[in-house]
This record gives sequence, structure tokens and C-alpha cells, in this order.
Amino acid sequence: DQQVKQNSPSLSVQEGRISILNCDYTNSMFDYFLWYKKYPAEGPTFLISISSIKDKNEDGRFTVFLNKSAKHLSLHIVPSQPGDSAVYFCAADWAGNNRKLIWGLGTSLAVNP
Amino acid sequence: DAGITQSPRHKVTETGTPVTLRCHQTENHRYMYWYRQDPGHGLRLIHYSYGVKDTDKGEVSDGYSVSRSKTEDFLLTLESATSSQTSVYFCAISADSGNQPQHFGDGTRLSIL
Repeated sequence: DQQVKQNSPSLSVQEGRISILNCDYTNSMFDYFLWYKKYPAEGPTFLISISSIKDKNEDGRFTVFLNKSAKHLSLHIVPSQPGDSAVYFCAADWAGNNRKLIWGLGTSLAVNP
Repeated sequence: DAGITQSPRHKVTETGTPVTLRCHQTENHRYMYWYRQDPGHGLRLIHYSYGVKDTDKGEVSDGYSVSRSKTEDFLLTLESATSSQTSVYFCAISADSGNQPQHFGDGTRLSIL
């Protein structure tokens, strides 16, 4: 049973527009959420995170929103650039889990020029 | 970038042979992880370590063993490789203070014929 779900396997966006990647979770014990970006033939790269005590965290073009009541988080990329084309993974953690992240299956983002 | 080196980067071997993958870090982080990535499955945790000589199983540990005799090195061994273990293997590390992301190496592409 997947505790972290990324229901959209792929997303296509025009350059300059907003990309919104979504992630749902089922475990209410999760208190730390992360987004990773992965290019082919490379390891995942940490992008941005958010603690459950916050509802928004921003880093440049990337913003993560957390809605605890809906058990939903989203990653906004504004403006989208062709170099953002990658697979994006959502992951979650909670205190006492020995720092083992629970991963979604990823969403492949294509940003078209 | 986090100092993580995986070796070898590519390996082709035959069914039934033993294989050892090495992960070396220069960050002195306490936690180390081994994942495999396969199409349709995202990242799956094989084993992880929470200190020297302290290891535990992940969700797909059958057929794999690990050892961590030094902080900087985490070895993954396939005692008798099978074709189902053909995959891309990633090592990750994380620090021990508060909420910390995992940082990944560039992966090892392993093909078992």
C-alpha cells in the first residue's frame, strides 16, 4: 500500500508557464516532506523540503505548499524552463523512522520551448 | 555537491556470480542507504545503515547483504546475482541533525546476463 502517491506519471508544460506537481500521502505521522529532481543517468538531486509546521516554503522559482488537512503537497515551478525537464519525486519522513524516506513513484515533467 | 562516490559506475556480469558495489562518502554522515531504481517502481530501499556496523533491511532486501566497517564506506553485495537484480543502484547519505535530506551518488548501472 503506497503511503506517498504521485498520481500523474507525466506532465507537459510550455516554457514560461507554471508547472504544478502534486503529491498525496496517507500517513498522518509524516512531518517532513521533500522534493527531488532526477535527470537520466544521474542520481536524484534534493530540490526543496517543508516541515509539517509550515504550509509553504519558497526557494527561488520553486515553492512547495503543504495542506495537512487534505494530506496533499504540491511543487510549483514558476516560470518553467526547458532545463526543468526531469522526473520529480516526492518523499516523506517522520521522527522515529530512522531517516528512511517514503517515496512516490515520480512525475516526468517536460517543459516545451 | 555532497561527496559521494559509487563504484563501479557500470558493470555487466553473469548470473550466479557475486557482485559488490561500493559507496564512499567524504561528508562523515551517519546514515547511508542503498536503493534500486526500476521502471514503474520508483526508488526502493534495499538496506540502510545508521552507524558503523549498524545496518537494517529495507523493503527489497532479499538477495542482498551490506557491510559498513567504516563511516565512509557502505558496501552492497549480491551473493549470487540473478537477472531480476539488473537495475540501477543508488547510494545516499544523510546527516544526523534534525530534518535532513538524503543526498545521492550518481548510480551504478548493473546488468546481469
